[in-house]
Amino acid sequence: QQQVKQSPQSLIVQKGGIPIINCAYENTAFDYFPWYQQFPGKGPALLIAIRPDVSEKKEGRFTISFNKSAKQFSLHIMDSQPGDSATYFCAASKGTGTASKLTFGTGTRLQVTL
Amino acid sequence: EPEVTQTPSHQVTQMGQEVILRCVPISNHLYFYWYRQILGQKVEFLVSFYNNEISEKSEIFDDQFSVERPDGSNFTLKIRSTKLEDSAMYFCATHRDHNEKLFFGSGTQLSVL
Repeated sequence: QQQVKQSPQSLIVQKGGIPIINCAYENTAFDYFPWYQQFPGKGPALLIAIRPDVSEKKEGRFTISFNKSAKQFSLHIMDSQPGDSATYFCAASKGTGTASKLTFGTGTRLQVTL
Repeated sequence: EPEVTQTPSHQVTQMGQEVILRCVPISNHLYFYWYRQILGQKVEFLVSFYNNEISEKSEIFDDQFSVERPDGSNFTLKIRSTKLEDSAMYFCATHRDHNEKLFFGSGTQLSVL
C-alpha cells in the first residue's frame, strides 16, 4: 500500500512534444505529491509539487494533473527541449507537511530528440 | 541556490569494512534524511533525523546503520559492516521546515567489493 507505481519506464519524444508521465498510488493518507528531476551523477531536484485539494498545478512548462478519486497524478512537459532529457520521479508522502519520508516511483527516463 | 554537500563522491570498500558518509546540510536546515538508490532503481528512504534523534527509519536501516550529527553541522551515515548489497548511491537531503522544499545532495556512490 506504500507503493507508488510509475509509467512509462522510458520515453522518447521530439523537441516540442509533450511527454506525459503517469503515477498511481494506493495509500489515501498521502497528501503531498512532488515530481523530481534527476540528471546523471546528480541528486533529485524538486520540479513541482501538488496537494490533493487542487486538480492541476502549472509552473512554467511543467504541469501536474491530479485525480484524487482515481488516485493518479501525472506530469506534462509542454514544448519539451533536449535539456529536459533526464530521469523523472514521482513521489508521495503523508503527514502535516513535507518532513515525512518520500515514497518514490520507479522513475521515467525521458529523452528529447532534436 | 543553496546546496547540500556530500563527501566523498565515491567510496570503494571491502565487504565487512565500516564506512562513514558525510553530509553538510544547508545552514539553518533542521530536518535531515538519508536516501539510497541502487543503480537503475528507485530512490528509497532510509532514515529521517530531527532534533538530534531519529524520527523514522525504514526496514533497510537495520542495526548495521547509524546516523549522527557529531559537531552540530555535519550529518553522517555509518555502515558498520558493509555487505555487497549496500552498494548504491546514498543521498543526503535536508530542509528547514515541514512545508519547505527538500534539497538533495549530489550523492556518494558506495561500491562494496
